[in-house]
Amino acid sequence: AQKITQTQPGMFVQEKEAVTLDCTYDTSDQSYGLFWYKQPSSGEMIFLIYQGSYDEQNATEGRYSLNFQKARKSANLVISASQLGDSAMYFCAMSGRDTGRRALTFGSGTRLQVQP
Amino acid sequence: GAGVSQSPRYKVAKRGQDVALRCDPISGHVSLFWYQQALGQGPEFLTYFQNEAQLDKSGLPSDRFFAERPEGSVSTLKIQRTQQEDSAVYLCASSAGIAGLAGEGNEQFFGPGTRLTVL
Repeated sequence: AQKITQTQPGMFVQEKEAVTLDCTYDTSDQSYGLFWYKQPSSGEMIFLIYQGSYDEQNATEGRYSLNFQKARKSANLVISASQLGDSAMYFCAMSGRDTGRRALTFGSGTRLQVQP
Repeated sequence: GAGVSQSPRYKVAKRGQDVALRCDPISGHVSLFWYQQALGQGPEFLTYFQNEAQLDKSGLPSDRFFAERPEGSVSTLKIQRTQQEDSAVYLCASSAGIAGLAGEGNEQFFGPGTRLTVL
C-alpha cells in the first residue's frame, strides 16, 4: 500500500519569498515516482514536477524544486520567488512501478496563499 | 483545445437518479484515469483504461459505478441510483504512454472535472 502525508493544511508566504511544502510518503515499492500538482480554484490539476526514486539529483522545473530525501521518505516542494498566481492547493502524489500501480495516490493537500 | 475536456462541468442530481459523466482525453493518449475528489481532500483513484481495456477498477466504491471507453478514446463514468455520498468532483486524466508515469514522457494531464451534487 502507498500513503502520502501532507501535514500543512495551509501556508502563507510573502510575495517574492521562497516557501517549502512538506510531503512524506510510505510505500513497499522499491521503485516509485513522486509528483507535485497544483490545483487552482478553477479545479484543474496542473502537473509541476516529478522525481523518480532512483534519480540521484533533485528535480527542478523553473521556480519549482523537489527536495528528495529518500532515507527520510520525504519529497518536499520548494517554490522560489513566490508570485500571487502561486496561490492554490498543492498536492503531493506517488505511483509505484514495482506493483504496476499506474494510478496516483494523493495526499490531502496544502493550501498556499501568497500575500502581496 | 488540446487538453482533456469533461462534461458537464456541473451536475445536480436527485438521490436515486442515474448520471453519466463524459471525458474527452488528449487525442492519441493511451491511458485514461478517473479519480474522485471529495471536498477538501486529495483525488482518489477510481479506475484505469489502457486504450479500450479497463485494466484496473479497484477504486470503484460500489457496483453502482461503471466506466467504459469502448473505442479507446472518449470515456464515460456512469453512476446508478446516486446517493448523497457520491457528491464530489470527478476528475479525468490521460497520459500518452502505457505506464502512466511521469518523467518518462507519460505525465498525467487532468481535465477540469465534473462537480456532482446529489440532493
